[in-house]
Amino acid sequence: QVQLQESGPGLVKPSQTLSLTCSVSGGSISDGGYSWSWIRQHPGKDLEWIGYIFESGNTYYNPSLKSRVTISMDASKNQLSLNLRSMTAADTAVYYCARSFKDVPDYWGQGSLVTVSS
Amino acid sequence: DIQMTQSPSSLSASVGDRVTITCRTSQSIYNYVNWFQQKSGKAPKLLIYSASTLETGVPSRFSGSGSGTDFTLTISSLQPEDSARYFCQQSYTTPLTFGGGTKVEIK
Repeated sequence: QVQLQESGPGLVKPSQTLSLTCSVSGGSISDGGYSWSWIRQHPGKDLEWIGYIFESGNTYYNPSLKSRVTISMDASKNQLSLNLRSMTAADTAVYYCARSFKDVPDYWGQGSLVTVSS
Repeated sequence: DIQMTQSPSSLSASVGDRVTITCRTSQSIYNYVNWFQQKSGKAPKLLIYSASTLETGVPSRFSGSGSGTDFTLTISSLQPEDSARYFCQQSYTTPLTFGGGTKVEIK
C-alpha cells in the first residue's frame, strides 16, 4: 500500500519561501503512469490543485500559482518537494501530497498545516 | 478553468435515508468526475472515479452517475460513519479543480 508523508515548517513568515517534502513508501515515484501532486486546502475548506510532476520530470502547474511554484523529485530518496515563493497570509492552508492515476488522486498524505504569519 | 458547482453545501439526514449530492460543471467533461469523502482532520479519500466506478473497498451504498455537465453522488442508506464532507473533482483537464464541498450531518 502506497503511503505518503509530508514534512516541513508549520510556520512561515510573509515573503519567505515555503519548502515541503513528501516521502513516499510502498511504491516508487519512478513508477510509470502516475503523477505526484501537491494540493492545498484553505481554512475555508476549498481544495486547490497546485501542480504535479511525472516520473519523467515533466511538471504542470496551476496558472494561478505558476509564477511562484516549483515541484521537483528525488528518485534516490523517493521524495517529492514543493517550493512556494513569496508567501502571504492567503497561502495559509493544509498542504497535501498525493499520487494520481490519470489525474485522479488515489493516495494522499495526511497533510501538513502551514501558517503564514510574522 | 472548469468550475465545479456542488449542491447543497450542507445537509442533515437520518440514518437509513437516501442522500443525493450534485455537481455541475461549467463545460462538458464527459465522465471525468471523481468523488471524495473527507472526515474531520483527515485527508480526502477517493470514493468514486470516472463518474460511476466504485474505488476498491468502498461500500456499495455509495454510487455515482452522470455525464456531460451534471453528476450525482448517492448514498443509498446513510450510516453514522458517513458523516463527512464530500467533494467532486474533475480530471478532464488541468488545472484540476474541485467542488466547494457538501457537509453531510447525521440527525
